[in-house]
Amino acid sequence: AQTVTQSQPEMSVQEAETVTLSCTYDTSESDYYLFWYKQPPSRQMILVIRQEAYKQQNATENRFSVNFQKAAKSFSLKISDSQLGDAAMYFCASANAGNMLTFGGGTRLMVKP
Amino acid sequence: SQTIHQWPATLVQPVGSPLSLECTVEGTSNPNLYWYRQAAGRGLQLLFYSVGIGQISSEVPQNLSASRPQDRQFILSSKKLLLSDSGFYLCAWTRLVIDEQYFGPGTRLTVT
Repeated sequence: AQTVTQSQPEMSVQEAETVTLSCTYDTSESDYYLFWYKQPPSRQMILVIRQEAYKQQNATENRFSVNFQKAAKSFSLKISDSQLGDAAMYFCASANAGNMLTFGGGTRLMVKP
Repeated sequence: SQTIHQWPATLVQPVGSPLSLECTVEGTSNPNLYWYRQAAGRGLQLLFYSVGIGQISSEVPQNLSASRPQDRQFILSSKKLLLSDSGFYLCAWTRLVIDEQYFGPGTRLTVT
């Protein structure tokens, strides 16, 4: 069984600043993927970034990057140059070989102008 | 390109009434399909998943059932709704290998 934990229910960041959202996971699988999804007020789930566990290099997508620490089972999301449109719920998730997604409880990110 | 549809977008139903939510995927074949429920301010809970027509697996025993009558159609049903069935229901699909899941726009269900 997989578990995903997001220890920060809410985070706040000033516009243009950098913020890091934390996520830890536990899995017995050797082959798995990790994801960060964004859920804006529309509630549409949008993929932000993905990381294959077998890859050592941290994934990067424009202003979004991850710090993947496999031994520590940690998968944090860094948002640089925060924008008002980044305000949303962010969910960390893991997928195993059966493609079953397990989600964390979410972190609400607020961006202050 | 692939798209996923859900309807209705919103639904208000009385306790004890039946439920049918529909999800369809276009532009792909033989997808894995998933139903999730999200309570207000909470994370997503996997309810059902399907790897093929007529193949349904349940993650959480409850008042709901799912069916997959066609390759790209996934239906969530209930014979008698409970107040606790209220929530936001999301359908998702993915390819057969490990991959990201693509989510539909969701259905907001309120049971009164």
